[in-house]
Amino acid sequence: DSGVTQTPKHLITATGQRVTLRCSPRSGDLSVYWYQQSLDQGLQFLIQYYNGEERAKGNILERFSAQQFPDLHSELNLSSLELGDSALYFCASSVAWGSGNTIYFGEGSWLTVV
Amino acid sequence: AQKVTQAQTEISVVEKEDVTLDCVYETRDTTYYLFWYKQPPSGELVFLIRRNSFDEQNEISGRYSWNFQKSTSSFNFTITASQVVDSAVYFCALSASRRGGGADGLTFGKGTHLIIQP
Repeated sequence: DSGVTQTPKHLITATGQRVTLRCSPRSGDLSVYWYQQSLDQGLQFLIQYYNGEERAKGNILERFSAQQFPDLHSELNLSSLELGDSALYFCASSVAWGSGNTIYFGEGSWLTVV
Repeated sequence: AQKVTQAQTEISVVEKEDVTLDCVYETRDTTYYLFWYKQPPSGELVFLIRRNSFDEQNEISGRYSWNFQKSTSSFNFTITASQVVDSAVYFCALSASRRGGGADGLTFGKGTHLIIQP
């Protein structure tokens, strides 16, 4: 158990809909990351927050947005969903935001868009 | 740009054999960090090791060992006396410092699917 908690674990929704994925980082970690894992793209970095502020952005679509709240939990919002958005979405956390920090991953949220 | 290459898509060995998973990386940064993660069939990503670019010492943890060679830009992972429970997808990843600190997240390889047959 990495200490990173993600909900829901599984989600099935229709095209065009909007979903929110939730993440609680490990106790003491200030940095939260979101990653997407799909068969064709592999593991891709989406976005990083540190202590409530956006720190780095990866291949995140404009239809997707995220935020980190004062209690450090984070949410990833996916809107106007398409079939290709079906993937495993990971939240991860680390103590700080530098490249040398070990990043611990949650169990992921499986999103299926039908 | 950073890149991580895991050329072995799938490896199948019989239990108790030793197996090495290859990882080759590319980065222009002088300070960077290399990671290995394990993804068992259940799906979670489990952290195995972190190595910084200034430390080329090999690491051993039980049946696991890692060989970091800057000269060949490789960070290979060996499992000795493999067990069925080692069956998983293994990912090598790279993180490098940006100017002003921080990083743009981990760059992952495509992963190697390791199958240990009983």
